Amino acid sequence: SYVLTQPPSVSVAPGQTARITCGGNNIGSKSVHWYQQKPGQAPVLVVYDDSDRPSGIPERFSGSNSGNTATLTISRVEAGDEADYYCQVWDSSSDHPGVFGGGTKLTVL
Amino acid sequence: QVQLQESGPGLVKPSQTLSLTCTVSGGSISSGDYYWSWIRQPPGKGLEWIGYIYYSGSTYYNPSLKSRVTISVDTSKNQFSLKLSSVTAADTAVYYCARSLRWLQFPWFDPWGQGTLVTVSS
Repeated sequence: SYVLTQPPSVSVAPGQTARITCGGNNIGSKSVHWYQQKPGQAPVLVVYDDSDRPSGIPERFSGSNSGNTATLTISRVEAGDEADYYCQVWDSSSDHPGVFGGGTKLTVL
Repeated sequence: QVQLQESGPGLVKPSQTLSLTCTVSGGSISSGDYYWSWIRQPPGKGLEWIGYIYYSGSTYYNPSLKSRVTISVDTSKNQFSLKLSSVTAADTAVYYCARSLRWLQFPWFDPWGQGTLVTVSS
């Protein structure tokens, strides 16, 4: 099955830019989606189709995807952005199409 | 706005069957546009997709769980359900239900239910 690799943790100071990567074989040929999960809460979609934002998600959240790496970028990081972030793809060619990355803990210093 | 809500026992004994229901409000589960999924998250760990169902009853399961999983739908109640048999402590997790668009090549999950913790213990 398809494997997505994320760094376990990323730390950033308030006001700076956080970049969270998601690695996968030729991931640029797929659409990548990103979820934010705060403690005790369900995941919330923050970016879909590599770089689109659902209604209500701040413009500070953006995404890109090329080659073997997709990236979630959070600009002007705020304390409230501290959370776990998961990437996700749908691999129709696999018998296990619903795939999530292992998650990245974003710490705001 | 569609909302999903999981319900079911919070404690299941080893070797028994875990049963959960997801109730959909604000929209019809019979809409042909969506797949309805179950996703779980063991404490302190990542997300695992379990499988989905279409309103017609067609299903697709994670191969690692396929032998133990059954997902069903009750359109009259606007609900879909999960049964996981022969559970062990490794099945202890928060279980989420979620919706995805059927006609997308690369669907995402939105919205999600709030999740329900199921503990497997004697």
